[in-house]
Amino acid sequence: NAGVTQTPKFQVLKTGQSMTLQCAQDMNHNSMYWYRQDPGMGLRLIYYSASEGTTDKGEVPNGYNVSRLNKREFSLRLESAAPSQTSVYFCASSETGGYQPQHFGDGTRLSIL
Amino acid sequence: GQSLEQPSEVTAVEGAIVQINCTYQTSGFYGLSWYQQHDGGAPTFLSYNALDGLEETGRFSSFLSRSDSYGYLLLQELQMKDSASYFCAPRVDSSYKLIFGSGTRLLVRP
Repeated sequence: NAGVTQTPKFQVLKTGQSMTLQCAQDMNHNSMYWYRQDPGMGLRLIYYSASEGTTDKGEVPNGYNVSRLNKREFSLRLESAAPSQTSVYFCASSETGGYQPQHFGDGTRLSIL
Repeated sequence: GQSLEQPSEVTAVEGAIVQINCTYQTSGFYGLSWYQQHDGGAPTFLSYNALDGLEETGRFSSFLSRSDSYGYLLLQELQMKDSASYFCAPRVDSSYKLIFGSGTRLLVRP
């Protein structure tokens, strides 16, 4: 089992460029999440999807859009990248019902120049 | 608003016991989870407390006091591989999203 797979692992963009970060999970989880982690900081929730077909804003949604393409895939799009969006982006998934731990991908390290 | 407090750094000796505290102020509260993250790695789940008291999982234990808005992670028989950052993360509503603190960096010395 691959778990949660994120692509790409590294990316460098210029200010104003757009890109989509991809995330796929093979655990048949209902919920998926996108976080960003800045150096020496905790994770901040950007968007989450409680189930296929639904998405909701987290703490820091400005400058991002998401698509829950199907149950497996949840993508994060930066329409016009800014240096402030330089960060490590983590995708996670979890089952629902009671408490279910979140399973994280290995992250995408994104630098915006 | 929501706030979390954890010590920023803790240093301990291999074989010792260390406690990492977490205090929280949140608009709602369903339980407290703990995650471990090695440098350059992904966070991994350690434990979850929905009710007051101690939960034990091998060398790691986690404690919660809802009345004090306080929890801690206890690591016993420390090993070098335990050097990592540890995050407390309350679940604050009926959805499954979490709020993460800034984390505690644990350094285990020989």
